Amino acid sequence: EPEVTQTPSHQVTQMGQEVILRCVPISNHLYFYWYRQILGQKVEFLVSFYNNEISEKSEIFDDQFSVERPDGSNFTLKIRSTKLEDSAMYFCASSLDRAGSETQYFGPGTRLLVL
Amino acid sequence: QQQVKQSPQSLIVQKGGISIINCAYENTAFDYFPWYQQFPGKGPALLIAIRPDVSEKKEGRFTISFNKSAKQFSLHIMDSQPGDSATYFCAASMNFGNEKLTFGTGTRLTIIP
Repeated sequence: EPEVTQTPSHQVTQMGQEVILRCVPISNHLYFYWYRQILGQKVEFLVSFYNNEISEKSEIFDDQFSVERPDGSNFTLKIRSTKLEDSAMYFCASSLDRAGSETQYFGPGTRLLVL
Repeated sequence: QQQVKQSPQSLIVQKGGISIINCAYENTAFDYFPWYQQFPGKGPALLIAIRPDVSEKKEGRFTISFNKSAKQFSLHIMDSQPGDSATYFCAASMNFGNEKLTFGTGTRLTIIP
């Protein structure tokens, strides 16, 4: 069964450093998303991406964040200057297309710890 | 108006019993209501989903009941098993799941022998 994959599974970084989280969505999916989950809390939407541009972003997704689809398979989330409060589990998700009935499929997540 | 309220926060059910988790929403533009199951250290996995044109959907031991007028929906797990112990999130979306998901706060379900 096709699945969304994410790397790395864990990332520890110092405050102020840049991190790049990587995702490989399901191959025929066209819509891509990043969510985050602070420990013990609900999953929160960060950004959606379609046709090589951001389609929607939340108030969490400020200028420190950026997304990119550098090639035909990868989808990345960059945090330019990490803060302590960026520590969370980051999930990538993908969905088929607006006309389809598929919902979003999530990757296993990257646990980011900012020290 | 974008919130999805979920209850209870935690639930303990005896093996073989029925687990019931409830969610309520405000935004009538939501048209897709999935439930996700999450095990510790894993990503949310789609369990079952419903659109508002039906009042109930059943897949195996899992049933979603949907009340459009009350703007409420619930997950019923019949014959609950220890392997069902996980955190369950309801969610809502527009455009049949291809817009952002708005998640509920989650219910930690524990099935005891």
